Amino acid sequence: QKEVEQDPGPLSVPEGAIVSLNCTYSNSAFQYFMWYRQYSRKGPELLMYTYSSGNKEDGRFTAQVDKSSKYISLFIRDSQPSDSATYLCAMINTDKLIFGTGTRLQVFP
Amino acid sequence: DSGVTQTPKHLITATGQRVTLRCSPRSGDLSVYWYQQSLDQGLQFLIQYYNGEERAKGNILERFSAQQFPDLHSELNLSSLELGDSALYFCASTAGQLNTEAFFGQGTRLTVV
Repeated sequence: QKEVEQDPGPLSVPEGAIVSLNCTYSNSAFQYFMWYRQYSRKGPELLMYTYSSGNKEDGRFTAQVDKSSKYISLFIRDSQPSDSATYLCAMINTDKLIFGTGTRLQVFP
Repeated sequence: DSGVTQTPKHLITATGQRVTLRCSPRSGDLSVYWYQQSLDQGLQFLIQYYNGEERAKGNILERFSAQQFPDLHSELNLSSLELGDSALYFCASTAGQLNTEAFFGQGTRLTVV
């Protein structure tokens, strides 16, 4: 079993839709939870990070962590074509930064 | 620009050969992580160095090795290359051992023919 599971998609939505991206994890030792965005052929860039269970909002993005269920989510409101990318969840366990496989998102006009 | 520099950007080599990928972390960052990303695969953690010492190891093959030098740049050595080693190799750096924000380089695309 992988430490972090993420549906690879692709997920295709119309512009303006609310997008929900999710990851589950198996190791309760994970402490920090992050979402990265990766455009094609580029290095991933950090979108958001959270430490505790609950919600964290940044503009159109909301990150949600449920440690009891070992489940994290990223919501994108009013999605734009420029949001089309691969979204990777990531989490830290001691010194290791572990990524999910990424979900490919396409937002069409 | 993340501040992390990886060279070369592209590399084409034959099976059985050996290559070295180089990473210069952001100024002041002490930790370097190496990842492999194959087609349609996520980022597979290979290895992490902190201030010159190996700190964590992922699914790194015995044919692969890495090191971090006193000036904090890092090299990933891939030997006895196989077709399946073709992938994007990313380097990321963070300020400390346990840090929430990792900055990634643009990657080295390795093609083994």
